[in-house]
Amino acid sequence: NAGVTQTPKFRILKIGQSMTLQCAQDMNHNYMYWYRQDPGMGLKLIYYSVGAGITDKGEVPNGYNVSRSTTEDFPLRLELAAPSQTSVYFCASSSAPQGFGANVLTFGAGSRLTVL
Amino acid sequence: DAKTTQPNSMESNEEEPVHLPCNHSTISGTDYIHWYRQLPSQGPEYVIHGLTSNVNNRMASLAIAEDRKSSTLILHRATLRDAAVYYCILTTTGTASKLTFGTGTRLQVTL
Repeated sequence: NAGVTQTPKFRILKIGQSMTLQCAQDMNHNYMYWYRQDPGMGLKLIYYSVGAGITDKGEVPNGYNVSRSTTEDFPLRLELAAPSQTSVYFCASSSAPQGFGANVLTFGAGSRLTVL
Repeated sequence: DAKTTQPNSMESNEEEPVHLPCNHSTISGTDYIHWYRQLPSQGPEYVIHGLTSNVNNRMASLAIAEDRKSSTLILHRATLRDAAVYYCILTTTGTASKLTFGTGTRLQVTL
């Protein structure tokens, strides 16, 4: 199994540009999440989804949008890139709700985004 | 959300055991204790979790204090490949509540 696959691995954007970070999982997990990690910091939750068609905001959703049309895919869109969005983005999935006791998250390898 | 406190960094020699502490004095009765680690330039990876009893798996052991206000991740024989940031996280039973990743403990392993 591939697990959680993120593309692209690296991207440089100019201020004001838009782009979509792709995330796909092949484990038939209902729950998917987007985190960002700034240098030397822990991960912060951006958005999450509890199933196809259902998404909700996390801790730092401003400047981002998500959609979940299928169980497998959970893309993250940046509409007007800003330097503050320079970060490493991680997608994760799980079979149970985040915070459900024994639930375990599987993370992708990350997408490094630089906004200049 | 209940918070955890971990040392910023620790060092270990290769082939020796490592004990990574975590304090969680405000833990509630339904909170699980999870450990993840993040190798350089990679996404976090699940290590182990437990509720009340000590747990062992192929990667590590988790020792949980009787009052559950602290726990220790034990790597029995550290290798250079274990150099990573280790996160201690509490998860609450319920609907899609938010995993909170702190800054973790950076483990350095030397020859």
